Amino acid sequence: QKEVEQDPGPLSVPEGAIVSLNCTYSNSAFQYFMWYRQYSRKGPELLMYTYSSGNKEDGRFTAQVDKSSKYISLFIRDSQPSDSATYLCAMRPQGAQKLVFGQGTRLTINP
Amino acid sequence: GAVVSQHPSRVICKSGTSVKIECRSLDFQATTMFWYRQFPKQSLMLMATSNEGSKATYEQGVEKDKFLINHASLTLSTLTVTSAHPEDSSFYICSAKEGINEQFFGPGTRLTVL
Repeated sequence: QKEVEQDPGPLSVPEGAIVSLNCTYSNSAFQYFMWYRQYSRKGPELLMYTYSSGNKEDGRFTAQVDKSSKYISLFIRDSQPSDSATYLCAMRPQGAQKLVFGQGTRLTINP
Repeated sequence: GAVVSQHPSRVICKSGTSVKIECRSLDFQATTMFWYRQFPKQSLMLMATSNEGSKATYEQGVEKDKFLINHASLTLSTLTVTSAHPEDSSFYICSAKEGINEQFFGPGTRLTVL
C-alpha cells in the first residue's frame, strides 16, 4: 500500500463547476500538507500549504485537512479552463525534508 | 519571491555523452536542493537530496556514479548525467528550500538521449 493515495483521474468538469480533489494517507506522522499544480511540461507550483488539521482558503482555492480520517482535500470554486492541470498532493512529517507525493490527478475544465 | 530556475529547459544528446543541468534559486538561499525525475503521466520520483557544501544523499536504486550532484553554493546545484543512454531520457526537475520553508520547484529540463 502506498503511503499517499490519490486518484489519477482523469477528471473532466464544465467551466464554473466546483472541483474536489482528494488524497488519503496512512502515516499518522504527517503534519505538513501541500497541494501543487503542474501544467504540462512544467515544474510543480505550490498552491496551498497547511499545517495539521483545518481549513485554509486562498481566493478560489480551499484546502482541508482531516487528520482523524487521514484525508486531505482541495476545492476549486468557479473553475476556469486555466485550472486545467495535474494536481499533486504532498506531505511530510515534522522535521523531515523529503516530501511524499500522491500520484497526481489530471483535471480538465471544459469551456 | 521563491523563484527557482533550471537550465537548459530542453536538451538532446547522443548516447554516451554527459549532460549537465543547472538549478538556481534566484531570490533566496537554498540550504537544501532536491532532484526529481518524472516519467510521462507519473508523479515525481525523488533521486537525491543535497545540502550546500555536503555530499548528496541518493535514494535507493539511484546510481550516484551516473547522476553526479554538486551543491557548491547556496544558490546553485548541478546534476550531471554521465554516459547518458536512451533510458535516461526523462523530465528532470529540481526544487529548493530555505531553512524550514517548503520546497519550490524549477520549471524542469527535458532530456532526450538519442
